[in-house]
Amino acid sequence: GIQVEQSPPDLILQEGANSTLRCNFSDSVNNLQWFHQNPWGQLINLFYIPSGTKQNGRLSATTVATERYSLLYISSSQTTDSGVYFCAVERTGGSQGNLIFGKGTKLSVKP
Amino acid sequence: GAGVSQSPSNKVTEKGKDVELRCDPISGHTALYWYRQSLGQGLEFLIYFQGNSAPDKSGLPSDRFSAERTGGSVSTLTIQRTQQEDSAVYLCASSPSGLAGNNRRRTQYFGPGTRLLVL
Repeated sequence: GIQVEQSPPDLILQEGANSTLRCNFSDSVNNLQWFHQNPWGQLINLFYIPSGTKQNGRLSATTVATERYSLLYISSSQTTDSGVYFCAVERTGGSQGNLIFGKGTKLSVKP
Repeated sequence: GAGVSQSPSNKVTEKGKDVELRCDPISGHTALYWYRQSLGQGLEFLIYFQGNSAPDKSGLPSDRFSAERTGGSVSTLTIQRTQQEDSAVYLCASSPSGLAGNNRRRTQYFGPGTRLLVL
């Protein structure tokens, strides 16, 4: 099946710093989503981005489908950005439409 | 509008008991998914419902797990004869059209999850 690898697995930042999270996937995809899992376990949609670039406030994401990777940029990080960031993909031609998740990047933003 | 809701939020049960977990998807969403998040396995797909079609059960880990979706809306995940390894957070998601759709209609929205602990 499709493999989804995220890096780095852990990241510690000082408040105000910028960061880039990476997601590599091993096959072509119909759907790619970035989620933030907050300390209460809720998965919050950040981006639906199977290709191209999108921005939402301090966050932006870029997916280069032909090279099978996606990047999530966090600028001017805040303590509320802490949590686990997941990349999830739906494989092209899959029979279920389910998402395959990476193992996540655990982000800690220190005040 | 209202998001995906799940109940109960937390469930503690004894090994061997049956449990039922409920999911209310976003109104109008035709696709519904169940996932499980555990420490050792990360987030894994369990089952997929699309409209009135037969569900895709290929992700269910054993025959102790079953799910149904009534009236194309509310879904119930049932675990029979629970085992300690069933302890996990069970997450439900819905999307406007799932596999039948394209582009943004495939976006999945997750509920808050049910934390299951089997003693």
